[in-house]
Amino acid sequence: SQKIEQNSEALNIQEGKTATLTCNYTNYSPAYLQWYRQDPGRGPVFLLLIRENEKEKRKERLKVTFDTTLKQSLFHITASQPADSATYLCALDEGGGNKLTFGTGTQLKVEL
Amino acid sequence: EAQVTQNPRYLITVTGKKLTVTCSQNMNHEYMSWYRQDPGLGLRQIYYSMNVEVTDKGDVPEGYKVSRKEKRNFPLILESPSPNQTSLYFCASSSHRDGYTFGSGTRLTVV
Repeated sequence: SQKIEQNSEALNIQEGKTATLTCNYTNYSPAYLQWYRQDPGRGPVFLLLIRENEKEKRKERLKVTFDTTLKQSLFHITASQPADSATYLCALDEGGGNKLTFGTGTQLKVEL
Repeated sequence: EAQVTQNPRYLITVTGKKLTVTCSQNMNHEYMSWYRQDPGLGLRQIYYSMNVEVTDKGDVPEGYKVSRKEKRNFPLILESPSPNQTSLYFCASSSHRDGYTFGSGTRLTVV
């Protein structure tokens, strides 16, 4: 069966360090993959999109990698800040028509 | 301001009483989707629309209906709500091969 796996345990890191979150998938062939941030009780906010033929994408302190052989995406936040504390969701689109399937998310806590 | 507007934000209703959650976007986006979010299950897609009059079922469509008569609006209809439809609902829109913009959510309780 198709599955998108994100670490369900919260990730606690110290301010200034790099946070790395993982998204693994099985039985998908995504055309592209997206990452979102969600704060409690609010709608997800789009962060980055990476296509199947791209290895890496950057935006300010954010970096996403996409390895279609390993069926994995890594999401990095460098120089993390307490304001980065949130739940981060990955989402896959197989057909290229923006029909997204979401993982359950990983909660990140950045401590002073 | 570019946004997706959902109404109402909160709704408590009784089993079997038909309801509609409205969704409107002002970005001229082709794609619109409805998701429900439940603890431990994450966001699950209910219905999806690629353009006016084009809709498709998502992963959990049972008990829901949608329509897309205009590009900007994508209402979610619960003909006969049941307690297992108590959830947090999100509407979202996007242009082709771009990220989704989500609404603020509708917290629905069915008693």
